[in-house]
Amino acid sequence: QKEVEQNSGPLSVPEGAIASLNCTYSDRGSQSFFWYRQYSGKSPELIMSIYSNGDKEDGRFTAQLNKASQYVSLLIRDSQPSDSATYLCAVRNTGNQFYFGTGTSLTVIP
Amino acid sequence: EAGVVQSPRYKIIEKKQPVAFWCNPISGHNTLYWYLQNLGQGPELLIRYENEEAVDDSQLPKDRFSAERLKGVDSTLKIQPAELGDSAVYLCASSLGWGNTDTQYFGPGTRLTVL
Repeated sequence: QKEVEQNSGPLSVPEGAIASLNCTYSDRGSQSFFWYRQYSGKSPELIMSIYSNGDKEDGRFTAQLNKASQYVSLLIRDSQPSDSATYLCAVRNTGNQFYFGTGTSLTVIP
Repeated sequence: EAGVVQSPRYKIIEKKQPVAFWCNPISGHNTLYWYLQNLGQGPELLIRYENEEAVDDSQLPKDRFSAERLKGVDSTLKIQPAELGDSAVYLCASSLGWGNTDTQYFGPGTRLTVL
């Protein structure tokens, strides 16, 4: 079982819609969760971090964490073509090790 | 504040040649990471340093890969000899290294092509 799993997509949404990206993790004791955005040919860029159960909002982005279900999600409201990228979920586990998912490719269609 | 700096940005070498990558982390960041990223995959950790100490190098292919962080700041990752399968992007990241909110920030990466 992989430490972090994501649907690889591709996920396509029309401009203005809500994009929903999902991630599950295996280490129940993990405490830190991150979403990175990676444009083609670029390095990962941090967009959200979340540490407590519930929702965390930052502009058009909302991260959701459910530790009981070992599930993290990222919602992007009012999706824009500039949001088209690969979104990486990362988890820091109880051993202080960071693990990344394989990423979900998002395309926002104008 | 300057971000993580890596050089070179691109490198093309022939198989069996040596290659080295350099990383300068964000000032004050004690923890430094080297990752390998293949196309369509997430970053995979090669080695993690806390100051000068390599605390996690379990995924580093030690027969051909080596790394050092002599003064606890800059780091160098070396491959000798390079193989065709080493073609990938090599990412360096750094973090403060403490606290539950410790967060990694990535450099631009070095894209290696082995011919």
